[in-house]
Amino acid sequence: EVQLLESGGGLGQPGGSLRLSCAASGFTFRSYAMSWVRQVPGKGLEWVSGISGSIGSTFYADSVKGRFTISRDNSKNILYLQMNNLRVEDTAIYYCAKDLVMSTRSPNLFDYWGQGTLVTVSS
Amino acid sequence: DIQMTQSPSTLSASVGDTVTITCRASQSVSTWLAWYQQKPGKAPNLLIYKASTLQSGVPSRFSGSGSGTQFTLTISSLQPDDFATYYCQQYNSYSPWTFGQGTKVEIK
Repeated sequence: EVQLLESGGGLGQPGGSLRLSCAASGFTFRSYAMSWVRQVPGKGLEWVSGISGSIGSTFYADSVKGRFTISRDNSKNILYLQMNNLRVEDTAIYYCAKDLVMSTRSPNLFDYWGQGTLVTVSS
Repeated sequence: DIQMTQSPSTLSASVGDTVTITCRASQSVSTWLAWYQQKPGKAPNLLIYKASTLQSGVPSRFSGSGSGTQFTLTISSLQPDDFATYYCQQYNSYSPWTFGQGTKVEIK
C-alpha cells in the first residue's frame, strides 16, 4: 500500500525557514517523480515544486523559485522541501504527491497524496 | 503559464442527477488533462487522466471528454458520496502544471 507521510509543518516567521519532509513507502520511490502541492484552507490547489525520480531534475512555480528547494533521498525514501525567506502568502496546507507514471523526466499528474502538513507564516 | 478555468464554480444537484463540469485551457494542452475529487479535510483523489481515461477503482459513472482547450467531466446518476469539489489539472508542459479553481458540487 502506497503511503506518503508529511511532517515539518508549523509556525514560521516571515523571512524565516522551514523544512518539510515526506516519508514514502509501498512503491519504488526512486522510480517516480514527486511533487509538492499546496492549498490555502478553503481555496484551490497550487503546484509548488517537483523533482524527477533518479535524475533529480527540479521544477518550481514562479511564486517560490529562488526561495524553496526540493530534494529527495532515494536511499531513505524521503522527499524534502526546504522553504527559505518565508512569506505570509506561503501559508497553506502542503501535500506531497506521487506521479502516476513511472520513470518520467518531470512530474505530470498525481495518483497518491499525503494527508498534508499545515504551514502558517506569521509574526 | 497555461490558465485553467472551470465552470461553474458551484453546482447544486440532487442524487440521481447527471452533472457536467467544464474546464477550459488558455492554450491547447492536447489531452494532457486530469480531474481530481476533493472532500473536506482530505487530499485530492485522481479520477481521470489523459482527458478520458478512468483511474483504477473510480466508478464508471465518472467520465471525461475533450481535447485542445475544452474539457468536460460528467457524473452520471450522482451519488451521495459524489458531493465534493472537483479540480482539473493540465500537465501538457512545464508551464508550470496548473489547476482549475475548482467546482463545488453541493446538494440541492
